[in-house]
Amino acid sequence: QKEVEQNSGPLSVPEGAIASLNCTYSDRVSQSFFWYRQYSGKSPELIMSIYSNGDKEDGRFTAQLNKASQYVSLLIRDSQPSDSATYLCAVPGDTGRRALTFGSGTRLQVQP
Amino acid sequence: DARVTQTPRHKVTEMGQEVTMRCQPILGHNTVFWYRQTMMQGLELLAYFRNRAPLDDSGMPKDRFSAEMPDATLATLKIQPSEPRDSAVYFCASGLVLGSRYEQYFGPGTRLTVT
Repeated sequence: QKEVEQNSGPLSVPEGAIASLNCTYSDRVSQSFFWYRQYSGKSPELIMSIYSNGDKEDGRFTAQLNKASQYVSLLIRDSQPSDSATYLCAVPGDTGRRALTFGSGTRLQVQP
Repeated sequence: DARVTQTPRHKVTEMGQEVTMRCQPILGHNTVFWYRQTMMQGLELLAYFRNRAPLDDSGMPKDRFSAEMPDATLATLKIQPSEPRDSAVYFCASGLVLGSRYEQYFGPGTRLTVT
């Protein structure tokens, strides 16, 4: 069983700051990684996917992957109160098995 | 705007009753998942279908839960008999493999309360 670890938070940052969310995973063979955002009472929403080492940028979001160290992070620049949510890191199962293993999520609070 | 749909959105039932939840995956997606989310356990995989065939239901209590996919547009999750510990939000998700890329999208969920 793959394990995905996240700090549950809450992580509190002021509006306009950079929020940094981290995730570590146990399986060295994982090839793809996903970040989901979940607002209270809503379903998880896919916001970033990353498949190779390095950085991937999409608007104010940057995902960073370091396979050697087995961690993936999500940076949110110019954080807004609307970014306040729980952020879930997810890793697929074994090759061919596409079900995701989710971390417990990090709750982010952006203070106006 | 393609999205996963789930019905009902909310269900309150008494212990011992049968509960059926339905999911319509995104058209063209070939994988369908059922997850359960609680505060204590987080998101847990219950069952997984690919091309309508069940591939993994190891996360599901077999004595009371069953999952089926009678056609490509409908997946069902049934609990019989329901128990208070089944109270949770049940999410359906669908996904599509494109070469080495893969993305999975969640439906809005069914909030189940068993009294």
